Amino acid sequence: DAGVTQSPTHLIKTRGQQVTLRCSPKSGHDTVSWYQQALGQGPQFIFQYYEEEERQRGNFPDRFSGHQFPNYSSELNVNALWLGDSALYLCASSLVDSRGEQFFGPGTRLTVL
Amino acid sequence: GESVGLHLPTLSVQEGDNSIINCAYSNSASDYFIWYKQESGKGPQFIIDIRSNMDKRQGQRVTVLLNKTVKHLSLQIAATQPGDSAVYFCAELPPGGSYIPTFGRGTSLIVHP
Repeated sequence: DAGVTQSPTHLIKTRGQQVTLRCSPKSGHDTVSWYQQALGQGPQFIFQYYEEEERQRGNFPDRFSGHQFPNYSSELNVNALWLGDSALYLCASSLVDSRGEQFFGPGTRLTVL
Repeated sequence: GESVGLHLPTLSVQEGDNSIINCAYSNSASDYFIWYKQESGKGPQFIIDIRSNMDKRQGQRVTVLLNKTVKHLSLQIAATQPGDSAVYFCAELPPGGSYIPTFGRGTSLIVHP
């Protein structure tokens, strides 16, 4: 079992561009959550997907959107990038309603110049 | 100028010593707490959890203590090893079946051989 995988590992974009990050959940998991982790901070919840629908959302603007596919993999899209979006983006998978039992991927390091 | 956010609280210990990492949580209604370990280049990894109806829980070489009166958690690591070097986060979950942890800021543990 490969666990949670994310791609790419690193990404550099310029202000105003758009980015798509990808996540494959741990085998058997049906729920994917995305987090943003700024340098020196704890992860901040962006949103969670289950059954291809956004189930819960944190305090992030509409520039952040996502998608979940029938195979449970997920994408995070960020439009109109600005410098403050530079961070490590973490994907976590779980079974629906498994409280707290999330498995995290290694993250995608996004740098916005 | 330098960002305060880049400076994590740091605990330096010698190999073989016991480590105690502290965390103050914010929501007095939170009823479930988790400690995570994040090594460089990796996502957070679940270490141990505790529910609010307990004040102590032990795992392998780790113990979590919960003091609800002062909203304080601690993680004790016995016989600390160089492989324990990482950033440690506490996370809280509010009642009502929320499945999304709110992470604290983190503490960097450095273990000297």
